[in-house]
Amino acid sequence: AQTVTQSQPEMSVQEAETVTLSCTYDTSESDYYLFWYKQPPSRQMILVIRQEAYKQQNATENRFSVNFQKAAKSFSLKISDSQLGDAAMYFCAYRSTAGNMLTFGGGTRLMVKP
Amino acid sequence: NAGVTQTPKFQVLKTGQSMTLQCAQDMNHNSMYWYRQDPGMGLRLIYYSASEGTTDKGEVPNGYNVSRLNKREFSLRLESAAPSQTSVYFCASSEAPLTGYEQYFGPGTRLTVT
Repeated sequence: AQTVTQSQPEMSVQEAETVTLSCTYDTSESDYYLFWYKQPPSRQMILVIRQEAYKQQNATENRFSVNFQKAAKSFSLKISDSQLGDAAMYFCAYRSTAGNMLTFGGGTRLMVKP
Repeated sequence: NAGVTQTPKFQVLKTGQSMTLQCAQDMNHNSMYWYRQDPGMGLRLIYYSASEGTTDKGEVPNGYNVSRLNKREFSLRLESAAPSQTSVYFCASSEAPLTGYEQYFGPGTRLTVT
């Protein structure tokens, strides 16, 4: 079974600065998908960014980018120019290409200081 | 489009009572999912429906039943609620099960079992 680990329960960043959230996963598969979801206080789960394991190029979405290290099974999220609205829980998730289940990490609470 | 809607938003049950959580999506998605989120944890899959007429167990199915009523609706039933089922429940949908398409989440139902 796959496992996803987020080793930082809480992180803090100054507004306009850059922060990196860590995620590692364990799998024996060679092809899969990785996701970062944001959960603000409203509880709504919002997809931030997605990475296909077969793609070597790191995904980017505006201020959000990932550092995908397949050999190390690492998938970190970098948020540039942090904004107050970025404050939320962030979840890393894994999905096999052969399955339906999203496996989530325990989450990282990001606080943004004005 | 409303996306994924869930009812109710909040519910308090006594041990042994039953209830059904309703979920509907208007995106014409084939696949639908039920997750639970316990405090300080990521989401865990309870059941999913890859397409209309099919349902399968996820990671934590014990104590729950589901019904895929039609393509739009997917309900989750607790036959005899237990305090261990106190959680936030999320419904999600996606266009296809075996692709990297993202899952769209509903706003969640906070359930307390006393």
